[in-house]
Amino acid sequence: AQSVTQLGSHVSVSEGALVLLRCNYSSSVPPYLFWYVQYPNQGLQLLLKYTTGATLVKGINGFEAEFKKSETSFHLTKPSAHMSDAAEYFCAVISGAGSYQLTFGKGTKLSVIP
Amino acid sequence: DVKVTQSSRYLVKRTGEKVFLECVQDMDHENMFWYRQDPGLGLRLIYFSYDVKMKEKGDIPEGYSVSREKKERFSLILESASTNQTSMYLCASRSGGGNFNEQFFGPGTRLTVL
Repeated sequence: AQSVTQLGSHVSVSEGALVLLRCNYSSSVPPYLFWYVQYPNQGLQLLLKYTTGATLVKGINGFEAEFKKSETSFHLTKPSAHMSDAAEYFCAVISGAGSYQLTFGKGTKLSVIP
Repeated sequence: DVKVTQSSRYLVKRTGEKVFLECVQDMDHENMFWYRQDPGLGLRLIYFSYDVKMKEKGDIPEGYSVSREKKERFSLILESASTNQTSMYLCASRSGGGNFNEQFFGPGTRLTVL
């Protein structure tokens, strides 16, 4: 079984401040990990993903995430928040190549304060 | 660019009506998905289709059925709509080359059942 926990349903940061969105997963086999973003009234868009190899993954719009197996974490960061980053962010996991199902966390809504 | 389109952005139906939600993708993807999105619950998988005429139940299939007669089209059917099916419905598609491939999402259909 696989699951995802996102800490904090709402996060507020000031424009220019560090963005940190937390994601912890559980998986019985090496996971594939994803971050998706949903802007208001839109579908989800992939920000970045980890499959194998380098544990620090860079995505679009200046976001990056680090896979830490020992902590079962895949936290999303951005050094400097922009107003356009205001959206809902979802962490998701697939437990290995044999599973087709992407399991999503409950989402974190990011607000950026001018 | 992959494009996933959904037949309606907003839909209002009455309890007991039969409801069809249509999804079309233009990238020849083998896999297609229907999710339901509710505040505080994230995305939950209703049904998955890995090929034409093939389907698998997701986490919450009760009250729903699906149809995939052509590769590009995946329909979600509510046989008898109920108020607890008021929600945002998201369709997604993915290349069948690997379960770690990106899922591409449509803009969603917000369904209200009165």
